[in-house]
Amino acid sequence: AQSVTQPDIHITVSEGASLELRCNYSYGATPYLFWYVQSPGQGLQLLLKYFSGDTLVQGIKGFEAEFKRSQSSFNLRKPSVHWSDAAEYFCAVAGYSGGGADGLTFGKGTHLIIQP
Amino acid sequence: IAGITQAPTSQILAAGRRMTLRCTQDMRHNAMYWYRQDLGLGLRLIHYSNTAGTTGKGEVPDGYSVSRANTDDFPLTLASAVPSQTSVYFCASSDSIADTQYFGPGTRLTVL
Repeated sequence: AQSVTQPDIHITVSEGASLELRCNYSYGATPYLFWYVQSPGQGLQLLLKYFSGDTLVQGIKGFEAEFKRSQSSFNLRKPSVHWSDAAEYFCAVAGYSGGGADGLTFGKGTHLIIQP
Repeated sequence: IAGITQAPTSQILAAGRRMTLRCTQDMRHNAMYWYRQDLGLGLRLIHYSNTAGTTGKGEVPDGYSVSRANTDDFPLTLASAVPSQTSVYFCASSDSIADTQYFGPGTRLTVL
């Protein structure tokens, strides 16, 4: 079974500073990887996804992520954070049993705090 | 386009009662999913459906049942609610595994 680990429960970053959120996955085949963001009291919004091809993927709101197969990682980055980036961030891997989509396996999330 | 709607928005329920959470999508997606979100645990898959007429169990299916009579609707039923089912429930849909999952706004359920 697949799994996702987000090692950092909380991260505090100053506004304007760079950001990197870590994600490690375990999956037997080529993974489909996602980053979602959840603002307080809201649903989940997709930031970006990786299926194949270029290992550096660009997303919305200035985010990017790099897939590194050798490290089983899919870390999320942003060069300069804004106060509006404060939210919960979830990394996820898609499961596939051969009969179709089995849903996403999520990490436990990283809570991002932005300091003024 | 509404996307995914969930009802109710929130509900307080007595233990032992039956409850159905509703989910409707208007994107004609083949696959639909139910997740529960608990603090410190992230989102966990309860049940899924790859296409109308088929369903499958996720990571935490016990105490829940689903049906998929048509493409658009995917109700989640708690036959006899227990306090451990207090959670926020999210419905999602996608066209396939290679597609983005779109999430509904969630239902906050409290079981007393």
